[in-house]
Amino acid sequence: DTEVTQTPKHLVMGMTNKKSLKCEQHMGHRAMYWYKQKAKKPPELMFVYSYEKLSINESVPSRFSPECPNSSLLNLHLHALQPEDSALYLCASSQVRRGAVAEQFFGPGTRLTVL
Amino acid sequence: AQKVTQAQTEISVVEKEDVTLDCVYETRDTTYYLFWYKQPPSGELVFLIRRNSFDEQNEISGRYSWNFQKSTSSFNFTITASQVVDSAVYFCALNGNTDKLIFGTGTRLQVFP
Repeated sequence: DTEVTQTPKHLVMGMTNKKSLKCEQHMGHRAMYWYKQKAKKPPELMFVYSYEKLSINESVPSRFSPECPNSSLLNLHLHALQPEDSALYLCASSQVRRGAVAEQFFGPGTRLTVL
Repeated sequence: AQKVTQAQTEISVVEKEDVTLDCVYETRDTTYYLFWYKQPPSGELVFLIRRNSFDEQNEISGRYSWNFQKSTSSFNFTITASQVVDSAVYFCALNGNTDKLIFGTGTRLQVFP
């Protein structure tokens, strides 16, 4: 199984809503990532988890809250978002290689619209 | 500082033409990794290739080939005999042995029948 799955595919939420994005992989990867991608731009890294611990937070506002309940799952909890947070949210996973960098495998993304 | 430049914003070709996508990178790391990803309209980024800085061999995979030249800090990607299904945004990316992928701005390739 060489797939990263993300749910939901599309999400529309109001600025006062609380929602969660989910990501799952069964490749045995121990690094997982959240990216945000605006239209016609490259993906921007938000968070990195390594062995279920948060290793990188790219100064993301606290209205985005990541969670890694186990080695296969990654969540992104959303609360009090702004319209400018509307974007494609991509999850990725990779092996953790000592002294090397592994390729990241991406999910299909969740297209989020904040009204 | 690390940077990836994809100077071609958009390229249009007719099917069966060959097309080369340029990628120039900057890094002070002696060990680093270069990647190409394809993003079709569906949105998912598809991994195409990973190359480390010590391996300058060119690679060919079917209609795809990559030319890595450290002397010019370039990692160019050529599609031979392009097809409509090759239409996508292609990203070149750099990782200097951290968990951070630095993406270029992408090149949108349109292949017309």
